[in-house]
Amino acid sequence: DAGVTQSPTHLIKTRGQHVTLRCSPISGHKSVSWYQQVLGQGPQFIFQYYEKEERGRGNFPDRFSARQFPNYSSELNVNALLLGDSALYLCASSLVAGPTFNEQFFGPGTRLTVL
Amino acid sequence: AQKITQTQPGMFVQEKEAVTLDCTYDTSDQSYGLFWYKQPSSGEMIFLIYQGSYDEQNATEGRYSLNFQKARKSANLVISASQLGDSAMYFCAMGNTGGFKTIFGAGTRLFVKA
Repeated sequence: DAGVTQSPTHLIKTRGQHVTLRCSPISGHKSVSWYQQVLGQGPQFIFQYYEKEERGRGNFPDRFSARQFPNYSSELNVNALLLGDSALYLCASSLVAGPTFNEQFFGPGTRLTVL
Repeated sequence: AQKITQTQPGMFVQEKEAVTLDCTYDTSDQSYGLFWYKQPSSGEMIFLIYQGSYDEQNATEGRYSLNFQKARKSANLVISASQLGDSAMYFCAMGNTGGFKTIFGAGTRLFVKA
């Protein structure tokens, strides 16, 4: 079975541009979460989507947005890129989202470099 | 506010010895989950072990065990019989009751020496 897939693997953009990152969850998983990991730090939670609805949002500006499609894949969009947006963007999927433990499976990440 | 603290930026351990990676947390929730992840240099996050706040027994998964001390709000990871392949970043994380947000600590880089 395929794991969580993310595209592209690497991306180079310039300041002010827009970027779209894509994530396909494990088959059967209905929840997708996005994290930003700046070099040398732990992942920071950006969004969680479950059944195509936003269920959680971290402390990120409105330049960050996301959506989940009927097939449960997801896109993360970042507008007006800043140098500080350079990071590894991780997508994680889980079977459900709720009050019980749900193991998250992470994708390989997209390395975004903003010049 | 929820917070995860990992005070050891780097740790060295001799191959085949045990090592403890520290993690303390802060939350006002009564129900929460604590996780440990391993991140090799390749970048992928690998789930290691989970402890629920109401679990009375410490979690174990093979060579990994979680030393959960609820009153002290600590959730230390113990790796027994370290292997060279254990060299990686290790992150402690906490999920809230709703499961909608997971926060991570800054991580500990573990170096296993031959």
